[in-house]
Amino acid sequence: KAGVTQTPRYLIKTRGQQVTLSCSPISGHRSVSWYQQTPGQGLQFLFEYFSETQRNKGNFPGRFSGRQFSNSRSEMNVSTLELGDSALYLCASSLGVWASTGELFFGEGSRLTVL
Amino acid sequence: GQQLNQSPQSMFIQEGEDVSMNCTSSSIFNTWLWYKQDPGEGPVLLIALYKAGELTSNGRLTAQFGITRKDSFLNISASIPSDVGIYFCAGRSSGGGADGLTFGKGTHLIIQP
Repeated sequence: KAGVTQTPRYLIKTRGQQVTLSCSPISGHRSVSWYQQTPGQGLQFLFEYFSETQRNKGNFPGRFSGRQFSNSRSEMNVSTLELGDSALYLCASSLGVWASTGELFFGEGSRLTVL
Repeated sequence: GQQLNQSPQSMFIQEGEDVSMNCTSSSIFNTWLWYKQDPGEGPVLLIALYKAGELTSNGRLTAQFGITRKDSFLNISASIPSDVGIYFCAGRSSGGGADGLTFGKGTHLIIQP
């Protein structure tokens, strides 16, 4: 059974640009959550999608957005990139809405560097 | 948001030693999860706990859901080199909430030869 797949694995952008990250969940999983991981702040919740609807959202500015498609694949977008957006962005999938079990299965992440 | 205090921040141990780490919260949680993250990888779920007082093992790993529901412990027995990595606890409060799982800052486990 394939795991969570994130693309791209690495990318470099400059300030002011925008970026789109993609996540394919485990087959059969309908919930996708996104997290930002930095050395200083650790893992911070961005948002969760279930059945193409955003169910929960963390405390991030509106520059961070996401969506989920009918096949459960998800994308997140960061516009007007800032240096502080440099981080590992992790996608996690679960069978149902996280509230039901809390068991998340993570991808390997997309490492974004903003210059 | 909720805060999780995970300790210790790092551990330097000898191969074969037992390891113990814990997480405490100011809030009550109804789910505790323990993850391990290797360099360049995403976190991997080790153990999930759903009931206060629950003690669950996964090989050499044992985790407990504290009876107060505000803490959890992870023990690793007879450590081996592949245990090196960062261990995260994560909790979810009974009220749900808009912040998903709350993660601890991690415990860096380093095994000295």
